[in-house]
Amino acid sequence: EDKVVQSPLSLVVHEGDTVTLNCSYEVTNFRSLLWYKQEKKAPTFLFMLTSSGIEKKSGRLSSILDKKELSSILNITATQTGDSAIYLCAAKSSGDKLTFGTGTRLAVRP
Amino acid sequence: NAGVTQTPKFQVLKTGQSMTLQCAQDMNHEYMSWYRQDPGMGLRLIHYSVGAGITDQGEVPNGYNVSRSTTEDFPLRLLSAAPSQTSVYFCASSSPGDRVYGYTFGSGTRLTVV
Repeated sequence: EDKVVQSPLSLVVHEGDTVTLNCSYEVTNFRSLLWYKQEKKAPTFLFMLTSSGIEKKSGRLSSILDKKELSSILNITATQTGDSAIYLCAAKSSGDKLTFGTGTRLAVRP
Repeated sequence: NAGVTQTPKFQVLKTGQSMTLQCAQDMNHEYMSWYRQDPGMGLRLIHYSVGAGITDQGEVPNGYNVSRSTTEDFPLRLLSAAPSQTSVYFCASSSPGDRVYGYTFGSGTRLTVV
């Protein structure tokens, strides 16, 4: 059975802190690893990682995949209150199937 | 705007009633799927389809039916609603060749079964 595990489950930080969110996966026919941000509504896409060791960046967010360790991290630097959300990790397998983790709930205090 | 459209946004059902959640996409995506999201559970796959006429079960298919008669539409049917089906439902679509954007999600349907 495909499985994605995220840690920590929740996190409270202060504005300006740097956070690292973790994701590990056990998926048959793995294709790629995706990160989403979910606020009040539908998840919004952040990154898709296919190649190991190549960092993807978007502003203060960055992510990297380690295929050897079957894991990925999402870094957020200089956090802002607008970063408060649930961050979801998902592993894509053949047939375009996505298996999601339970998410990390991040709260950024002013 | 192109995307995934879900209707209705909110629904209250009585136990035993049936209903259909609608999902339509205009991006010509081959792959469509339905997820439910419960507190602390992440998104769990209910059913998915890799193309018109082809559907398959996901992680939590019991109590739900789907069909895919066209590329655009992928309705989810609740056969006899139960309180355990109270959840937020998301429809998503993707194109397997898309190496950039992954999935596109609809805005969700919040269903309450009383």
